Amino acid sequence: SQQGEEDPQALSIQEGENATMNCSYKTSINNLQWYRQNSGRGLVHLILIRSNEREKHSGRLRVTLDTSKKSSSLLITASRAADTASYFCATVGNTPLVFGKGTRLSVIA
Amino acid sequence: DAGITQSPRHKVTETGTPVTLRCHQTENHRYMYWYRQDPGHGLRLIHYSYGVKDTDKGEVSDGYSVSRSKTEDFLLTLESATSSQTSVYFCAISDGTSNSNQPQHFGDGTRLSIL
Repeated sequence: SQQGEEDPQALSIQEGENATMNCSYKTSINNLQWYRQNSGRGLVHLILIRSNEREKHSGRLRVTLDTSKKSSSLLITASRAADTASYFCATVGNTPLVFGKGTRLSVIA
Repeated sequence: DAGITQSPRHKVTETGTPVTLRCHQTENHRYMYWYRQDPGHGLRLIHYSYGVKDTDKGEVSDGYSVSRSKTEDFLLTLESATSSQTSVYFCAISDGTSNSNQPQHFGDGTRLSIL
């Protein structure tokens, strides 16, 4: 299995602080994707980073990928209460997306 | 938001009964997926489809069957529901020529309880 494993499982921060979540995986990948899930809703795609990319930005999101360490990180800068959600990494190799178990982020106003 | 509708949104049924969940898309995307989400397990792929009448198994396909007779509809059937199939089921779609390099778009889920 190439399931991503997020760390930490839960994270609580104050509004305005940065939030960093990490993802480790086991086998070679084509790309890695990050998703957000608000309570009671489906997942929403945030960003995709290909195996030949090292860093990618989208608004307040910054994703890094280190294929030598088989790890990725998601940084959310200047967090807001609306960022409260669960965040999942998902890896793509020879099979469709394989999701990790997620990081639960709570942003306190 | 991507045009994905899951029905029903909630269902309670008894062990041993057949259950069919429907996913309908208006995006004309090629790929459709069924996942289940359980505490402690994240999302796990049940089955997916890469075209009309073309389907393949995922990680947790035992006890489930699927059908796709039209591009827009992907059905998930539990032939004889068991309590272990109590879960939240998500449908997702993606476009492109491969299932690997495009993001997936998710419906809002079906909460299924089997008593």
